[in-house]
Amino acid sequence: SQTIHQWPATLVQPVGSPLSLECTVEGTSNPNLYWYRQAAGRGLQLLFYSVGIGQISSEVPQNLSASRPQDRQFILSSKKLLLSDSGFYLCAWRPPGLARREQYFGPGTRLTVT
Amino acid sequence: TQLLEQSPQFLSIQEGENLTVYCNSSSVFSSLQWYRQEPGEGPVLLVTVVTGGEVKKLKRLTFQFGDARKDSSLHITAAQPGDTGLYLCAGDRTGGGADGLTFGKGTHLIIQP
Repeated sequence: SQTIHQWPATLVQPVGSPLSLECTVEGTSNPNLYWYRQAAGRGLQLLFYSVGIGQISSEVPQNLSASRPQDRQFILSSKKLLLSDSGFYLCAWRPPGLARREQYFGPGTRLTVT
Repeated sequence: TQLLEQSPQFLSIQEGENLTVYCNSSSVFSSLQWYRQEPGEGPVLLVTVVTGGEVKKLKRLTFQFGDARKDSSLHITAAQPGDTGLYLCAGDRTGGGADGLTFGKGTHLIIQP
């Protein structure tokens, strides 16, 4: 069976500090990978998605970047955090192929920028 | 622009009552998913509906996709405290592309014992 991991689970960082959140998927090959941010009252906002190693699509211009160094690894980064970067960050994967539309989410990372 | 509108935003009812929550849009979706999310956790997929007019049942939960594939509803029969959570609908507009889903803001449901 497939599993998705995110770490850390919680993070408190000062404004201006760097960020690195990691997501890994087990039990599948060549998944589509996604980063979402969930802010209170605003639903889930898609930040980045990737269809393969080194392939990143950005949905929203912002202070964040993403990388996919390995097939089942997805990393969300920032060089300098802003207060507005606080939120609940969710990684998700989708099975490869056109027929499957479901996405499966990881446990999330709660980021607080102080 | 919020492409998927969910209503109500908040709902608190007593155990044993029935309820319906809605997910509406002016856009057509090739498929629509419903998720349930508990505080501090990631959303968990409940169901995917694909065909206009489709009805799917998951124990006491009934999901319906509108005939025009622009809206969906979730009906819970005899709600239980374990049904408490944030219910999210998410639509796929592209029908085959790799891009992400469009999410509604969710319905916060509280079932009081």
